[in-house]
Amino acid sequence: GENVEQHPSTLSVQEGDSAVIKCTYSDSASNYFPWYKQELGKGPQLIIDIRSNVGEKKDQRIAVTLNKTAKHFSLHITETQPEDSAVYFCAANGRTGRRALTFGSGTRLQVQP
Amino acid sequence: GAVVSQHPSWVICKSGTSVKIECRSLDFQATTMFWYRQFPKQSLMLMATSNEGSKATYEQGVEKDKFLINHASLTLSTLTVTSAHPEDSSFYICSARENPGGLYPTEAFFGQGTRLTVV
Repeated sequence: GENVEQHPSTLSVQEGDSAVIKCTYSDSASNYFPWYKQELGKGPQLIIDIRSNVGEKKDQRIAVTLNKTAKHFSLHITETQPEDSAVYFCAANGRTGRRALTFGSGTRLQVQP
Repeated sequence: GAVVSQHPSWVICKSGTSVKIECRSLDFQATTMFWYRQFPKQSLMLMATSNEGSKATYEQGVEKDKFLINHASLTLSTLTVTSAHPEDSSFYICSARENPGGLYPTEAFFGQGTRLTVV
């Protein structure tokens, strides 16, 4: 099945700096790659997603890039703010027909004021 | 965006009892819902796929007789943890998608999670 690896496990940045989180996936049939933000005691919230027919997508301070050849995708957060502090998960959908997501191990982002 | 509501948000139960967790899609229909389990500081692990009107599909290593799933309607799936033990204590999260029809999956919406503590 699909295997998603995520790095780093923790990331500390100063407010205003950029943060980058990287993921790799194993199943070349994956065609959907969402990123989720999870705050303590809550369910994950989608922050951005990308389909395999696109190489990059941006939404204000958040962007995601996808390299299908290398099977990796990255989350970029610019001008970080303390409220960006949370755990971020990448995910991939794996083979068509298996509609559940496989999640990366998560990155705990801490934005220092 | 679409909303998935999960209830209860937390529950404490005694060992040996059963606990039911509900997952509802509030403004869309979902033939398929997903149940995940998350241990502290770990990722979400898929437990099972809940299919409306048919049996759930369980992931390897998940006991179907212990984690009973019922998907009785297009907007409701329930997870019942039977004969709960302290090791079942965890954060359980459900997810649902609007019925996909195209090449790419639609966005998956997650419930707020249920913190189960078995004492």
